[in-house]
Amino acid sequence: DGGITQSPKYLFRKEGQNVTLSCEQNLNHDAMYWYRQDPGQGLRLIYYSQIVNDFQKGDIAEGYSVSREKKESFPLTVTSAQKNPTAFYLCASRADKRPINEKLFFGSGTQLSVL
Amino acid sequence: GESVGLHLPTLSVQEGDNSIINCAYSNSASDYFIWYKQESGKGPQFIIDIRSNMDKRQGQRVTVLLNKTVKHLSLQIAATQPGDSAVYFCAENSSGYSTLTFGKGTMLLVSP
Repeated sequence: DGGITQSPKYLFRKEGQNVTLSCEQNLNHDAMYWYRQDPGQGLRLIYYSQIVNDFQKGDIAEGYSVSREKKESFPLTVTSAQKNPTAFYLCASRADKRPINEKLFFGSGTQLSVL
Repeated sequence: GESVGLHLPTLSVQEGDNSIINCAYSNSASDYFIWYKQESGKGPQFIIDIRSNMDKRQGQRVTVLLNKTVKHLSLQIAATQPGDSAVYFCAENSSGYSTLTFGKGTMLLVSP
C-alpha cells in the first residue's frame, strides 16, 4: 500500500451518526487526497490537501469534512448530512513537485456501510 | 467539460493472449498519464506512467502508448495471466493542477 494506512477496513454507520475514517502516510508526501468509489464506478474526489492546515473541496465535498493538522494525517469525517454514504473510500498521497506531475499512492481503502 | 473515459467496460481474454485496454481523453492540456490496476476490495496499484513528451513507455510485460494527435492512451499487457484480472483505470493530469482525473475503468477477465 505504499506506506499509506487506512483504518478501519470496514465501518458501519447508524442513522444520524458522524463517522471518521483515518488515513496516515509515512512517505513524507505533501499532498493528500480522499476519493469515493461506488460499485462499478471510477474514483470521485471528495477533498484534497496540498499543505498542512489547508485543504480544498473536490467534486463531491457535500456531507464530508476533513482536517490536516499534521503532514502525515488526513482524516475524513462522513457527517449525517451525507445521505448516501455507503461506498468504498480511498485515501491517497503524492509528492508535490509542481509543475512536475507525480503519481498517487493509494491506501487499501475503507468500506463504509449504513446500518 | 474535460474528461477521461474508456472505450470498453469489460475485456475477456485467454491466458497467454496479449491484452489492450484503451482510454480516450479530451483535455488537450493534459501532459501526464497513469495506469492503475485495482483488485476487488483493494486500493489501486500504480502500473506505469507516461509524460506527453513520449509516445511509448515499456515496463515489465506492460507497454503504454500515447497518441496526442487523437488524444488516445492504451495499455498493452503481454502474455496475460489470471493474476492480471482486475479493473484498470487511466488517469490524467495537467501541469500545475493538483488533482488527477480518473476514467471509469475497464474490467479485464483472464480465463485459464
